[in-house]
Amino acid sequence: EDKVVQSPLSLVVHEGDTVTLNCSYEVTNFRSLLWYKQEKKAPTFLFMLTSSGIEKKSGRLSSILDKKELFSILNITATQTGDSAVYLCAVEAGNTGTASKLTFGTGTRLQVML
Amino acid sequence: KAGVTQTPRYLIKTRGQQVTLSCSPISGHRSVSWYQQTPGQGLQFLFEYFSETQRNKGNFPGRFSGRQFSNSRSEMNVSTLELGDSALYLCASKQISSVETQYFGPGTRLLVL
Repeated sequence: EDKVVQSPLSLVVHEGDTVTLNCSYEVTNFRSLLWYKQEKKAPTFLFMLTSSGIEKKSGRLSSILDKKELFSILNITATQTGDSAVYLCAVEAGNTGTASKLTFGTGTRLQVML
Repeated sequence: KAGVTQTPRYLIKTRGQQVTLSCSPISGHRSVSWYQQTPGQGLQFLFEYFSETQRNKGNFPGRFSGRQFSNSRSEMNVSTLELGDSALYLCASKQISSVETQYFGPGTRLLVL
């Protein structure tokens, strides 16, 4: 059974801190890894990673994938209170030519204090 | 472009009842997936529909079912509700070829008493 594990489960930091969120996975027929941000509503897409070692960056957020060690990290620098949310990691898996499926981790709850 | 819409947004039912939730995808999106989100289990995949056919299914009992209409709108049904079915049910639509384009709706929060 496909499995995605995120750590830490929760994190409290102060504005301006840098945080690193972790995601490890065990899936069959890996296709991609995705990061989402969820506030009190629907998850919103952050990044999709398919290749090892290539960093994806969007403003203060960045992410990288290691397909050999089966993990990904999401970095947030200079955190702001608006970064407070649950960050979800999901892995897309499936055989070529078949429909893929997303397996989610339980998320990391980040709280940024003033 | 309008986003994914789900109705109703909130629902209270009692054990043993059945419920139908509705999802309208983003215009042009033909794939609709359903997820259940609970504090203990996180986000879990229920099923995916494309062109009115179920393409993929998660590990949920047969009480959970769905369908998709010719206009890509989708419904999911849960029969014989149990307390453990209380959850946020999220629908997501995407262009068929890329999971990167999957967009989630606001969800239906179901409470089973």
